[in-house]
Amino acid sequence: EVQLVESGGGSVQPGGSLRLSCAASGFTFSSYSMNWVRQAPGKGLEWVSYISSSSSTIYYADSVKGRFTISRDNAKNSLYLQMNSLRVEDTAVYYCARGDYGDHWGQGTLVTVSS
Amino acid sequence: SYVLTQPPSVSMAPGQTARITCGGNNVGDKSVHWYQQKPGQAPVLVVYDDSDRPSGIPERFSGSNSGNTATLTISRVEAGDEADYYCQVWDSSDHVVFGGGTKLTVL
Repeated sequence: EVQLVESGGGSVQPGGSLRLSCAASGFTFSSYSMNWVRQAPGKGLEWVSYISSSSSTIYYADSVKGRFTISRDNAKNSLYLQMNSLRVEDTAVYYCARGDYGDHWGQGTLVTVSS
Repeated sequence: SYVLTQPPSVSMAPGQTARITCGGNNVGDKSVHWYQQKPGQAPVLVVYDDSDRPSGIPERFSGSNSGNTATLTISRVEAGDEADYYCQVWDSSDHVVFGGGTKLTVL
């Protein structure tokens, strides 16, 4: 069974940093691209970042470019999102999703940026 | 940047057919994917590549895409189909784009 489990969310002040993790199991992680997608409270889905299976290709949404860094460790079956210079508008549930289209999603981890 | 436009809400009685549209400039030239999201839950892929269904998704869910409009069709709507639905594409700038979402209410 495919499982994606996010962790690392929490509360942080504006300007702070957090590192999210997504632990994958039940499939060959190294064969799949991955995405981070977020959802602000009561709002729609917003794509954050993409990483190819080998990490050779990475894309970011304009809203996070230069502040967030996506990475993965295929040996550890894990996906990461390093978030720096956090803003109030980054408050959201962050999901990891498998593949070029999200055929499986984690349950999400909540990030709250507030003073 | 590329924009996908969805109606904010659609309402249907049980047993009827719901059609949720997703408009975008020449969206017919792109592959459209659809997600269902129920309150408090993660999104679930219900249609990919315009019209393909993942395993476990009922045949009542189907998709089409042509011109400037992609459509998710839900036949014989059930109470359990009540959810938010999002369309998604990759744009020419290698960015993922989501529509604003459509809330399906089953009357």
